[in-house]
Amino acid sequence: GAGVSQSPSNKVTEKGKDVELRCDPISGHTALYWYRQSLGQGLEFLIYFQGNSAPDKSGLPSDRFSAERTGGSVSTLTIQRTQQEDSAVYLCASSLAGLVSNEQFFGPGTRLTVL
Amino acid sequence: TQLLEQSPQFLSIQEGENLTVYCNSSSVFSSLQWYRQEPGEGPVLLVTVVTGGEVKKLKRLTFQFGDARKDSSLHITAAQPGDTGLYLCAGQFNDYKLSFGAGTTVTVRA
Repeated sequence: GAGVSQSPSNKVTEKGKDVELRCDPISGHTALYWYRQSLGQGLEFLIYFQGNSAPDKSGLPSDRFSAERTGGSVSTLTIQRTQQEDSAVYLCASSLAGLVSNEQFFGPGTRLTVL
Repeated sequence: TQLLEQSPQFLSIQEGENLTVYCNSSSVFSSLQWYRQEPGEGPVLLVTVVTGGEVKKLKRLTFQFGDARKDSSLHITAAQPGDTGLYLCAGQFNDYKLSFGAGTTVTVRA
């Protein structure tokens, strides 16, 4: 069965470079979430997409971070001018709708290392 | 500052022993979820509790939601090596956002 997939699984980049992380949600899921998981920390909410509504970007840590979701399906998280503190695992999740009762299904994450 | 504090941060026990993980907050949540995460994978939902005082059992796992809906515990009976992993609690207010604790790393030695 097709779960949430993310690519790449690992990304090593140099400080100052831009990176793009991709998420393919479960087919039919209208809600999509991005989280960041740093070592020893829980998951930190970054951004939420629900259908064609304007995304909730309240969790993005700086204007170097942006995300888009094309056609209500695939999403790309872009980090510009990466810094070492951006090193973390970036997790994507999807759910049927952004309701309290809907389970979020997580992808395996992209481990980003900024040298 | 995290809304949810988990304790202990690390737990290492022998197969067959019992363990309890705690999740505490000063905030009242509409629901609370427990996840388990294995290395290289995303978290997987174990249970959602919504009612104050609620107790849910999943085989050897028992989940409890505090009466005031501010805290929760996860108890594992007769732990097995397959229970090894990172256990995360996450609180939800009346919207889609989850606030996660930092997690408890559980190691069960054979």
